[in-house]
Amino acid sequence: KNEVEQSPQNLTAQEGEFITINCSYSVGISALHWLQQHPGGGIVSLFMLSSGKKKHGRLIATINIQEKHSSLHITASHPRDSAVYICAEAAGNKLTFGGGTRVLVKP
Amino acid sequence: DAGITQSPRHKVTETGTPVTLRCHQTENHRYMYWYRQDPGHGLRLIHYSYGVKDTDKGEVSDGYSVSRSKTEDFLLTLESATSSQTSVYFCAISDPSTYEQYFGPGTRLTVT
Repeated sequence: KNEVEQSPQNLTAQEGEFITINCSYSVGISALHWLQQHPGGGIVSLFMLSSGKKKHGRLIATINIQEKHSSLHITASHPRDSAVYICAEAAGNKLTFGGGTRVLVKP
Repeated sequence: DAGITQSPRHKVTETGTPVTLRCHQTENHRYMYWYRQDPGHGLRLIHYSYGVKDTDKGEVSDGYSVSRSKTEDFLLTLESATSSQTSVYFCAISDPSTYEQYFGPGTRLTVT
């Protein structure tokens, strides 16, 4: 059974701090997705990666295929980064999701 | 933003009644998905479609059926709604060449 574990479940940071969210998965994958869900519910795809590292603005995602581990980093965090961050492993076109990490960035 | 709409956005219904949720896309993507999101469970796949009239079950398909008669529409039906089906339902689409998924705005369903 595919299992995707995220840590921490909850995270509170002060504005400007560096944030790291971790994701471990259990089986071989075609890709690892990172998603963002703001209060109010909309889900946005942030990254999809199968190797190495991707960067978009203040967000960086990395993946280590051998260790079956991915991290999402937020540099210079801002209150607008407050959201739930979800990782998902992809086997072809089907996703299995982690439980999410709720991030609160205080001003 | 990918062109995905869901209707209705909110619905309250009584136990035992049939309910149909609609997902509509303007992207002409082949793959479409229905997920439910519940506290403590995260997002779980109900059913998905890989083309017109081609559908398959996900991990929580019991009590749900789907239909896809056109590329742009994917319908989720609860034949006889139960309180355990109270949830937020998300539709998603993906392009099989990129694997990236795009999500609709969600439908909040309450079964009383």
